[in-house]
Amino acid sequence: QVQLVESGGGVVQPGRSLRLSCAASGFTFSSYAMHWVRQAPGKGLEWVAFMSYDGDKKYYAVSVKGRLTISRDNSKNTLYLQMNSLRTEDTAVYYCARERIVGATVDCWGQGTLVTVSS
Amino acid sequence: DIQMTQSPSTLSASVGDRVTITCRASQSISSWLAWYQQKSGKAPKLLIYKASNLESGVPSRFSGSGSGTEFTLTISSLQPDDFATYYCQQYSSYFRTFGQGTTVDIK
Repeated sequence: QVQLVESGGGVVQPGRSLRLSCAASGFTFSSYAMHWVRQAPGKGLEWVAFMSYDGDKKYYAVSVKGRLTISRDNSKNTLYLQMNSLRTEDTAVYYCARERIVGATVDCWGQGTLVTVSS
Repeated sequence: DIQMTQSPSTLSASVGDRVTITCRASQSISSWLAWYQQKSGKAPKLLIYKASNLESGVPSRFSGSGSGTEFTLTISSLQPDDFATYYCQQYSSYFRTFGQGTTVDIK
């Protein structure tokens, strides 16, 4: 079945970097666009970034543009989020999510990985 | 960016109640709207896509309607499993945005 498994979260100091991974299985990863969405503790969902199936298109939320970078390796069925210059307000659970080929609905989510930015 | 505004923020209801949640977009998004259910500590689950299409496996008591800028999610008869937080999301733009969420709790 479709599975998305995030990893790489942890506690990091402000200004430092972290890289999240999302391992996909159960579907043809290279055919699907992907997203990162985050949720700060006790808050709502915030869309973070999008990448097209081939990596050609990337879009970012204003709050993360220039600091977070989405990428993918279709040979490894893995999506990444490189997080630089981290701020306390980046503390959140980060979810990767799959976008349907037809209709563009985000239909499957991983279980999330927690990033805590704190000194 | 397209802003999504949900109302109410919290809704207290009883089992068997009919529940309606509203989502308004700051500009027309046609029918490019999804509804998600999220339970505490879990990932969101897709309920409705393209404003009114029920996702496979989702109970028929859930329904969605609307187009343009105004949308609703209706639960026809609230069940114990439905107490959760609900989010709308627009996908008219690559810059996806969510509503702030509506928590349905027990009255």
